[in-house]
Amino acid sequence: DIVMTQSPDSLAVSLGERATIHCKSSQSVLYSSNNKNYLAWYQQKPGQPPKLLFYWASTRESGVPDRFSASGSGTDFTLTISSLQAEDVAVYYCQQYYTTPIFTFGPGTKVNVK
Amino acid sequence: QLQLQESGPGLVKPSETLSLTCTVSGGSVSSSNYYWGWIRQPPGKGLEWIGSIYYTGSTYHNPSLKSRVTLSVDTSKSQFSLKLSSVTAADTAVYYCARPVSIVEGYFDSWGQGILVTVSS
Repeated sequence: DIVMTQSPDSLAVSLGERATIHCKSSQSVLYSSNNKNYLAWYQQKPGQPPKLLFYWASTRESGVPDRFSASGSGTDFTLTISSLQAEDVAVYYCQQYYTTPIFTFGPGTKVNVK
Repeated sequence: QLQLQESGPGLVKPSETLSLTCTVSGGSVSSSNYYWGWIRQPPGKGLEWIGSIYYTGSTYHNPSLKSRVTLSVDTSKSQFSLKLSSVTAADTAVYYCARPVSIVEGYFDSWGQGILVTVSS
């Protein structure tokens, strides 16, 4: 099974400052035949289902502000919010789908305003 | 536009079986293009994938729950269902039904609103 970890568990960032979240998989989620990383990122606000932000590790979902970016390959991935806005307060999850239809999520990173 | 709606009891007694149904509208559970999934989230905790089902009835389960999970699909009603047996307080969670983009693209772009199920006597 692929285990996903995230760091930090939580972080507090001033409005307008950068927030960086890390996600690590216990084995590579890069599929060599198509050179794609089977990794997605979600944002979840209280009382709501998760919202897809990125897939294929760095492809932004339609409608996601460009202050959000994602990168990484293999086992190490990063989600960055370049200039934190109040509406970005949420919990962020990574998810691997390399083993589709079996999936695993990271434990989540809570982002707050300092 | 695809819509998913969970339904079922909000309260289940310990040792009993939790039963939930997801009703699909704006899409077809009998499509060969998709798996249909269940994901849960205990209060204040993270997301846990429970299992996925294909329209043929093929199922895939989280190993940590496998022996207690039964998934089924009813194409005539455009529904798929989850049964979780021998529940304990640890199974108290918001349960989501969700669908990945395709059988190859396993990221979830469609989610139900979730249903809180509390296990308590």
